[in-house]
Amino acid sequence: QQPVQSPQAVILREGEDAVINCSSSKALYSVHWYRQKHGEAPVFLMILLKGGEQMRHEKISASFNEKKQQSSLYLTASQLSYSGTYFCGTERDGTSYGKLTFGQGTILTVHP
Amino acid sequence: EPEVTQTPSHQVTQMGQEVILRCVPISNHLYFYWYRQILGQKVEFLVSFYNNEISEKSEIFDDQFSVERPDGSNFTLKIRSTKLEDSAMYFCASSEGWAVYNSPLHFGNGTRLTVT
Repeated sequence: QQPVQSPQAVILREGEDAVINCSSSKALYSVHWYRQKHGEAPVFLMILLKGGEQMRHEKISASFNEKKQQSSLYLTASQLSYSGTYFCGTERDGTSYGKLTFGQGTILTVHP
Repeated sequence: EPEVTQTPSHQVTQMGQEVILRCVPISNHLYFYWYRQILGQKVEFLVSFYNNEISEKSEIFDDQFSVERPDGSNFTLKIRSTKLEDSAMYFCASSEGWAVYNSPLHFGNGTRLTVT
């Protein structure tokens, strides 16, 4: 089952904060976050494991709420370079052999 | 920083033709993947490969598709008898371990396949 991301799109001014959510109706083992700029490959940001700690990549952090089966990506003091489409990829269990099921993406646009 | 390289960057083919997409994963990685992204849509898993065998494949990966590691460096995706709906960006990825073990996927820049 495909995870659901919200919102679908976010428009920010430089320095503003944003939160992107990734929710699943099924129990998850891990959530992976990637950012993709237009015409480029997805770039890894971080992995959240079930029972793991909140992760951080520069001024971007993420958490995983097991009760809600939801991961949230927090973008703090956004920079122009944060613009792109953010995808969460999920794994249901430890036997998925690298199969990530990606959400539909959240388009983030940061303006000066 | 080591990277995954894919060739060609753009492939145009006629419906019914066979295409081979090529990838050179990062040298110390053992796990390889193909994903695809239809224009404007989400990234979809096709297949994972380890130790010269397919480990997992999606329902998209039917008999029309095959993967191979013909030598120690290349990893290929063959699509037989291409269809219009095969038009997409195909991403190769590699990782040191399985993603479940906290091992991120490193994606190549993709091959844009256009079937006419």
